Amino acid sequence: DAKTTQPTSMDCAEGRAANLPCNHSTISGNEYVYWYRQIHSQGPQYIIHGLKNNETNEMASLIITEDRKSSTLILPHATLRDTAVYYCIVRVVRAGGTSYGKLTFGQGTILTVHP
Amino acid sequence: DADVTQTPRNRITKTGKRIMLECSQTKGHDRMYWYRQDPGLGLQLIYYSFDVKDINKGEISDGYSVSRQAQAKFSLSLESAIPNQTALYFCATSDSPSSGIINEQFFGPGTRLTVL
Repeated sequence: DAKTTQPTSMDCAEGRAANLPCNHSTISGNEYVYWYRQIHSQGPQYIIHGLKNNETNEMASLIITEDRKSSTLILPHATLRDTAVYYCIVRVVRAGGTSYGKLTFGQGTILTVHP
Repeated sequence: DADVTQTPRNRITKTGKRIMLECSQTKGHDRMYWYRQDPGLGLQLIYYSFDVKDINKGEISDGYSVSRQAQAKFSLSLESAIPNQTALYFCATSDSPSSGIINEQFFGPGTRLTVL
């Protein structure tokens, strides 16, 4: 699986957009980008995933560059409850194989949303 | 009720003791996982199971064993606990490839284990 690089920490003002970058320059064609977050000491929570097109759901938007070497998770209107560690994960998605389904978590980005 | 539950939520034990952490799920998922998290670090995969008859080692399986008693239950054992196994342990489940969001994993609330 491709390695990802994320900033260690970021700050954001409440109500503003939080833009979390992720570099995955060695990503291959069959690898998806996934984002999870972990609020202090709770289990991680799935946010969004994508292959090459931009994606949006009720939680966030995912912007993937055309060359797929980087992506940005956007929380459009950050709240205090969005303070968490955000993990960018690159995973092969295929129907078979013993590696299927495993997630490799790095250290992530600590996002602090302040009033 | 929570979809993925873990017991106990907190445990303090002594070096050399045998410890079992239990995970139950009501999501009907075939796949279950055990992770550990050390302070300030990401999650590391210990063991995973794709169905009741399937058990696989993860990145850091030494010192651990697992049992998949049923589709809904996946237990993690520390045969002889040591202090560097002090960590936060998470159980997770995921659906099989043919349905749902591929690779979305649902995590339990975690078990905080301290080995003295």
